[in-house]
Amino acid sequence: KQEVTQIPAALSVPEGENLVLNCSFTDSAIYNLQWFRQDPGKGLTSLLLIQSSQREQTSGRLNASLDKSSGRSTLYIAASQPGDSATYLCAVVDNYGQNFVFGPGTRLSVLP
Amino acid sequence: NAGVTQTPKFRVLKTGQSMTLLCAQDMNHEYMYWYRQDPGMGLRLIHYSVGEGTTAKGEVPDGYNVSRLKKQNFLLGLESAAPSQTSVYFCASSRGLAGVAEQFFGPGTRLTVL
Repeated sequence: KQEVTQIPAALSVPEGENLVLNCSFTDSAIYNLQWFRQDPGKGLTSLLLIQSSQREQTSGRLNASLDKSSGRSTLYIAASQPGDSATYLCAVVDNYGQNFVFGPGTRLSVLP
Repeated sequence: NAGVTQTPKFRVLKTGQSMTLLCAQDMNHEYMYWYRQDPGMGLRLIHYSVGEGTTAKGEVPDGYNVSRLKKQNFLLGLESAAPSQTSVYFCASSRGLAGVAEQFFGPGTRLTVL
């Protein structure tokens, strides 16, 4: 059974810092991996999707990498801003492409 | 274009009571999903539907039933609520499988079972 973990569970940084969030999964047979953002009291918003054949994806100040063989992904946020404060979740889709398995999330606070 | 909406936003039940959560989407999506989110555990899939009139079990289906009588609506029912079902429930929809299509999420329903 696929299991997804995220470290750290919470992170607090001053504004302007670059930071890395980590995601690990136990079964490397994935179809893709997605990073989501969740604001308090809200649903999830998709940030980046990496197909299993890709190594990384970039969107603005966000860069996600994927090392399928080692079961790891990282989300790099450059020049963090208070508006980046949210919970970040990663999720993997198995090779049947059916459904997501989510990690527990990392709660990020960016202090002004 | 409202996207995915959920009704109600909050609800408190007593053990043994029943209720139905309503999810509606106006994007003409074929696929709809119900998840629950518990502290420290991420989202877990309860049931999903790949089209009108179809439903399928997810990872944690016990204690829940679903129906998809109309393409735009996906209902989640609790026949006899238990304290273990206290959670935040999210609905999502997509035009295709999770592997190929973005999922759009509703704002969630916070359910407390006493």
